[in-house]
Amino acid sequence: EAEVAQSPRYKITEKSQAVAFWCDPISGHATLYWYRQILGQGPELLVQFQDESVVDDSQLPKDRFSAERLKGVDSTLKIQPAELGDSAMYLCASSLVDVGSDSYEQYFGPGTRLTVT
Amino acid sequence: QKEVEQNSGPLSVPEGAIASLNCTYSDRGSQSFFWYRQYSGKSPELIMFIYSNGDKEDGRFTAQLNKASQYVSLLIRDSQPSDSATYLCAPMDSNYQLIWGAGTKLIIKP
Repeated sequence: EAEVAQSPRYKITEKSQAVAFWCDPISGHATLYWYRQILGQGPELLVQFQDESVVDDSQLPKDRFSAERLKGVDSTLKIQPAELGDSAMYLCASSLVDVGSDSYEQYFGPGTRLTVT
Repeated sequence: QKEVEQNSGPLSVPEGAIASLNCTYSDRGSQSFFWYRQYSGKSPELIMFIYSNGDKEDGRFTAQLNKASQYVSLLIRDSQPSDSATYLCAPMDSNYQLIWGAGTKLIIKP
């Protein structure tokens, strides 16, 4: 069964350091989402890609966060410098978004648990 | 502001009983609705989606949708301890973005 891959699964970093997360979506899924989830809350959308283009990054703190999907397949989310408040689960999801087949489901990877000390 | 309301729980249900999880949403433009299950420390797992008014059944799970009332629910029959998790309701908006509630924590008591 096809899955969304993410790495690393866990990351501990000191504040002011740089950190990067990688995501490989399900093959053929053109739409990719990065979320941040704090304990007890629903996921918060950070950025949405359609192929290699950013569709929505309005909730991405652009002073320290960046995201790219250069070839329209895998994607990287970077934080520089990390702050204590960035400690959270970072989730990647992908979707086919096929209007013709009425397919819009989002499938999540295992996530990266980030702890900033 | 697009909002999703769910009872945070915890909702405690005896093993073998029916668990009923409810969700209301504010975006009248939402046409697709998703239920995710999330175990503690894990990522959300898609368990049901529903696009049309009425009921949709998949094994022990039934999703119910009433767009006029802006209400969607999930029923879990013959609840098992392994169903203990947080259930997230997520309507999709016109930009193919999910609008998330905070989830309902479900506890199945043996």
